[in-house]
Amino acid sequence: GAVVSQHPSWVICKSGTSVKIECRSLDFQATTMFWYRQFPKQSLMLMATSNEGSKATYEQGVEKDKFLINHASLTLSTLTVTSAHPEDSSFYICSARDDRGRGATEAFFGQGTRLTVV
Amino acid sequence: AQSVSQHNHHVILSEAASLELGCNYSYGGTVNLFWYVQYPGQHLQLLLKYFSGDPLVKGIKGFEAEFIKSKFSFNLRKPSVQWSDTAEYFCAVNSGGGADGLTFGKGTHLIIQP
Repeated sequence: GAVVSQHPSWVICKSGTSVKIECRSLDFQATTMFWYRQFPKQSLMLMATSNEGSKATYEQGVEKDKFLINHASLTLSTLTVTSAHPEDSSFYICSARDDRGRGATEAFFGQGTRLTVV
Repeated sequence: AQSVSQHNHHVILSEAASLELGCNYSYGGTVNLFWYVQYPGQHLQLLLKYFSGDPLVKGIKGFEAEFIKSKFSFNLRKPSVQWSDTAEYFCAVNSGGGADGLTFGKGTHLIIQP
């Protein structure tokens, strides 16, 4: 099956620093990837859609300059949380759509990254 | 805009009981519907999905769901639950083209008592 890998699985950083999270599709190409955020005991909220070779599309209320997304290749998207603060502490999850799929297809999820800002 | 409502936030059942988790969505066009499960400490796993065709969808681990268009519902069912089904269950939807990210419900925390 299709595998999506996120790195790191968890990270602790100091307030004011930046953190980069990687999302890789291991055995398929993904022009489109998605980034979600999950607060404790809450649902996943779509943050942005990452498109290879073009700018990401952010959901309403998500700060573009705060959450930088780069999708430089068909197998890698990165999310950088800039100048992180404790309120950015959360579980960040990516998903990727297999380019081989036609029409409506599912996206495959990574295992998530637990970010703690101290 | 799409929205997903899961009616039960916490469900506690005994083993071998039957399960039905409610999911209603709000969207005027064609939709794709999903149920995901998240076991403690693990990532999301797809249980089943509906894109088109037979509205009764069978998934993994004995789960099934029925898409009722007139009720905007996609309830998850399992005739006999097991202790290992203890997990968080999420209903999700995206638009019919499938290119969009998912809108998730708030989830249902299911606890199965031995």
